[in-house]
Amino acid sequence: KAGVTQTPRYLIKTRGQQVTLSCSPISGHRSVSWYQQTPGQGLQFLFEYFSETQRNKGNFPGRFSGRQFSNSRSEMNVSTLELGDSALYLCASSSVERGGTDTQYFGPGTRLTVL
Amino acid sequence: AQSVTQLGSHVSVSEGALVLLRCNYSSSVPPYLFWYVQYPNQGLQLLLKYTSAATLVKGINGFEAEFKKSETSFHLTKPSAHMSDAAEYFCAVTSNRDDKIIFGKGTRLHILP
Repeated sequence: KAGVTQTPRYLIKTRGQQVTLSCSPISGHRSVSWYQQTPGQGLQFLFEYFSETQRNKGNFPGRFSGRQFSNSRSEMNVSTLELGDSALYLCASSSVERGGTDTQYFGPGTRLTVL
Repeated sequence: AQSVTQLGSHVSVSEGALVLLRCNYSSSVPPYLFWYVQYPNQGLQLLLKYTSAATLVKGINGFEAEFKKSETSFHLTKPSAHMSDAAEYFCAVTSNRDDKIIFGKGTRLHILP
């Protein structure tokens, strides 16, 4: 099976712009989670989607949003970018809704740089 | 609330020596525990997971971890370090009531020749 894919791998934006990141889960996986990884804060949970519904959300401002499509692919959007949004954004998929009871498989990430 | 503490942001061991990466957790319910490894410019890869079965869990690449409830620990070990083990390691916790997975800050493992 192909792994989790994320596009683009690298992205450079300027403050105030918005960005959309894409994640394609492993075939058959219906749960997709997003994480932000920075040197200072480490890995932080953004949100989880299952069957096109947001099932869980981390402590991020409303500028961060996401959605999931019927084919389980997910997108994450960040509006009004700030310098502090520069990070590696990781997507993970699992085969069941309850991410804690099943293994999450991570994609390679999208590295976002905000200038 | 659950939390994870990884002791030591950097650990250095000589090639062939024992690897020990420490992880302590806090959870009010029985936890599920994970160790992930991240190589440069890559995503996270699962090394092993504890889901209330055997307390000694064997993972990939010769790693294993032991769940000790009395010590609230889930330390990662490998008997003999290899240069290819140099990476960042993350301990994570979740529960059957909360879908969020909480990650530790990570420990960067350096292997000395």
